[in-house]
Amino acid sequence: ETGVTQTPRHLVMGMTNKKSLKCEQHLGHNAMYWYKQSAKKPLELMFVYSLEERVENNSVPSRFSPECPNSSHLFLHLHTLQPEDSALYLCASSQDQIELNYGYTFGSGTRLTVV
Amino acid sequence: GNSVTQMEGPVTLSEEAFLTINCTYTATGYPSLFWYVQYPGEGLQLLLKATKADDKGSNKGFEATYRKETTSFHLEKGSVQVSDSAVYFCALRGNQFYFGTGTSLTVIP
Repeated sequence: ETGVTQTPRHLVMGMTNKKSLKCEQHLGHNAMYWYKQSAKKPLELMFVYSLEERVENNSVPSRFSPECPNSSHLFLHLHTLQPEDSALYLCASSQDQIELNYGYTFGSGTRLTVV
Repeated sequence: GNSVTQMEGPVTLSEEAFLTINCTYTATGYPSLFWYVQYPGEGLQLLLKATKADDKGSNKGFEATYRKETTSFHLEKGSVQVSDSAVYFCALRGNQFYFGTGTSLTVIP
């Protein structure tokens, strides 16, 4: 039990499908993040939410749409994805965005395959 | 800018061998430094951290020392076990986290 739960663990979707990834934390953290992990590449920060407000969007294509309805839940809505979007999508949380001495707590990720 | 460079893998060791995974960083200011571990099929877990120069982080037999003069944070373990097989990520915390590309470690019996 990592404290951050992601569902589903695996997802296969066609390029015309619409799906959503879910992330949930009950650690009392105020900041949540979406990362993309592709083989042989550094983790790519996609979105940052602090106190339910999006504070960062690292030039992510609009086919990825995040939603943070409350401080415990984070979604990533997917539509018309491309095969190169296949990756492990990791959610993380932290006490707050600006505290530099604390690490993030990561979920186990959703393995996404776009066919 | 901020960046992390860690040694490329994969690394394969026999059980009880000594492990070193090199990590160097470039940063503005004085970031905190971290090592994360990712076991197969899992997300990243915090392994250890150091928040200022000369600090030594340690956990589960792993150690790393924050060396400001060499801008390094090398991960070491004196005697690895099969259960240490995983991917290890070096990271620094500036205004956000900056991760290395990861080093895959396989320990064989």
